Amino acid sequence: DTEVTQTPKHLVMGMTNKKSLKCEQHMGHRAMYWYKQKAKKPPELMFVYSYEKLSINESVPSRFSPECPNSSLLNLHLHALQPEDSALYLCASSHKTVLGSYNEQFFGPGTRLTVL
Amino acid sequence: EDKVVQSPLSLVVHEGDTVTLNCSYEVTNFRSLLWYKQEKKAPTFLFMLTSSGIEKKSGRLSSILDKKELFSILNITATQTGDSAVYLCAVGANTGTASKLTFGTGTRLQVTL
Repeated sequence: DTEVTQTPKHLVMGMTNKKSLKCEQHMGHRAMYWYKQKAKKPPELMFVYSYEKLSINESVPSRFSPECPNSSLLNLHLHALQPEDSALYLCASSHKTVLGSYNEQFFGPGTRLTVL
Repeated sequence: EDKVVQSPLSLVVHEGDTVTLNCSYEVTNFRSLLWYKQEKKAPTFLFMLTSSGIEKKSGRLSSILDKKELFSILNITATQTGDSAVYLCAVGANTGTASKLTFGTGTRLQVTL
């Protein structure tokens, strides 16, 4: 299995809703990432998990709450979002080499989120 | 702050043409430079470059890295309409516990018949 899967594909939510995005990989990768991508812009890093521990938080507002319950799963919990949070949310994973470097990141298909 | 700049921002060529896409960077703790192709959804991986002067090739696509001058190029020969996409350059830096990719703004390539 060489893919990253994400659910749901599309999500529409109101500003008072609580929802979660899910990401799964079975490649044995120990680093997982959340990115946000607005239209016609490059992906922007939000969070990095390494060995199930949060290692990078790019000053993301607390209405986004990541969770890594095990080495294959990554969640992003959403609460009280704003319309400007509407974007494509991409999950990625990568493998750590024996030299300590990290290989290429493989991306999931994304969840297109609309906040009304 | 890490910076990755791509040029041109967009390009329209005829099928069969050869194109060269550019990526320059200023990054602390550089480890690798990656090229991705993005059509409608997720970026798909093309190449990862870590050493200067060594060309990576896959079919009609090739890429090379110059670590002294801090840039990379992606060449596509004999372009086809299926090559139409946004090409993203990303530079990887290790933070000690994980790797972090900084993306450029991308080059939007359109190949016409």
